[in-house]
Amino acid sequence: NAGVTQTPKFQVLKTGQSMTLQCAQDMNHNSMYWYRQDPGMGLRLIYYSASEGTTDKGEVPNGYNVSRLNKREFSLRLESAAPSQTSVYFCASKRQGPGANVLTFGAGSRLTVL
Amino acid sequence: AQSVTQPDIHITVSEGASLELRCNYSYGATPYLFWYVQSPGQGLQLLLKYFSGDTLVQGIKGFEAEFKRSQSSFNLRKPSVHWSDAAEYFCAVGATGANNLFFGTGTRLTVIP
Repeated sequence: NAGVTQTPKFQVLKTGQSMTLQCAQDMNHNSMYWYRQDPGMGLRLIYYSASEGTTDKGEVPNGYNVSRLNKREFSLRLESAAPSQTSVYFCASKRQGPGANVLTFGAGSRLTVL
Repeated sequence: AQSVTQPDIHITVSEGASLELRCNYSYGATPYLFWYVQSPGQGLQLLLKYFSGDTLVQGIKGFEAEFKRSQSSFNLRKPSVHWSDAAEYFCAVGATGANNLFFGTGTRLTVIP
């Protein structure tokens, strides 16, 4: 019972490099999310995908792109990393239907941009 | 505008003591309210949620929370804290059909023997 799986767990980049964070869920959830967590700021939504084939911007989308590859997978791409993108990134998913506002989170990906 | 305020950045309690973590929210619609816990190096785990009905909700690990609409609060409580409760706690608010949850900035709990 894997739930939400994120890779990689840790990554160090140099300014200007690109990378993709991968996320997969095995719960047949429709909606998927990418958050970033910074000290003193809680979790902020970067992008979300309400259903397969759709993506929308959250609070802090600048510098990121996403792809909802299929129902299971939702990737987050940094095209040209900046030190301000040093953060812990969390993927989450939730199902549709009554009482469906409960997010299930992955374990996180810690990214450092030098 | 939607927001969640957790006024206590860091709380220290002795093992066996009672605990209350504060959460105040601002939300235009009828809110759904959540408490999540994050252990070091881990993702967030749902402790409890309030959607409707009884304003006192029970969660996992012996936690409970009370929704007070008049005070726009959803405080988390536990009668007797265990060392394993040391973690960071996040309050969040959402609503039916909303695509996002708004999170507070978190309260770090330290438990001393």
